Amino acid sequence: DVVLTQSPLSLPVTLGQPASISCRSSQSLVHSNGNTYLHWFQQRPGQSPRRLIYQVSTRDSGVPDRFSGSGSGTDFTLKISRVEADDVGVYYCMQGTHRPPWTFGQGTKVEIK
Amino acid sequence: EVQLAESGGGLVQPGGSLRLSCVASGFTLSYHWMSWARQAPGKGLEWVASISEDGIETHYVDSVKGRFTISRDNAKSSLSLQMNSLRAEDTAVYYCARDDWGPAYWGQGTPVAVSS
Repeated sequence: DVVLTQSPLSLPVTLGQPASISCRSSQSLVHSNGNTYLHWFQQRPGQSPRRLIYQVSTRDSGVPDRFSGSGSGTDFTLKISRVEADDVGVYYCMQGTHRPPWTFGQGTKVEIK
Repeated sequence: EVQLAESGGGLVQPGGSLRLSCVASGFTLSYHWMSWARQAPGKGLEWVASISEDGIETHYVDSVKGRFTISRDNAKSSLSLQMNSLRAEDTAVYYCARDDWGPAYWGQGTPVAVSS
């Protein structure tokens, strides 16, 4: 099974400052069809997960442009250009390339300093 | 607007059974793979099972194989998860999700607690 390793697992950030989360895969996430099914999710306290970014870098509808995704192969990054109070929660990367099973990263908890 | 509404969770004794349901709206269920995922208290996300558009192909995480069964009724826009031989480690919030090479949309979840 593919293992996704996120870092850091805890990320205290000052409001208005940038934040960056890394997600590394145990194998390439490029599918035989050429697409890379690496996605990012946000889970605010007490809420269901919400997809933010799909296929590495495409933002879902309604997601602020301060969120961006990048990377290729086995190394991926989620960046928040200026953290707002609303961004507090846990962020997960997830791969849908090698399935079953889907696999998720351990999650990164973003909190305000 | 895509909406997924789970129901059927509750408290059950070890070894017991529970059937979760998910009603979908805002899209045509028969066009999409669907999945269940779960989140144990204070833990991360775990995929549980997936089912193809026509219900013919199913997949399960190893820990639930032989105990859980995923099914669907496209005519009723519904998804189900039959859970048998429940264990304490199955305690979690269970989410249904529309599967677009990963969970694109999630329901609000239904809690399952396995305890004596």
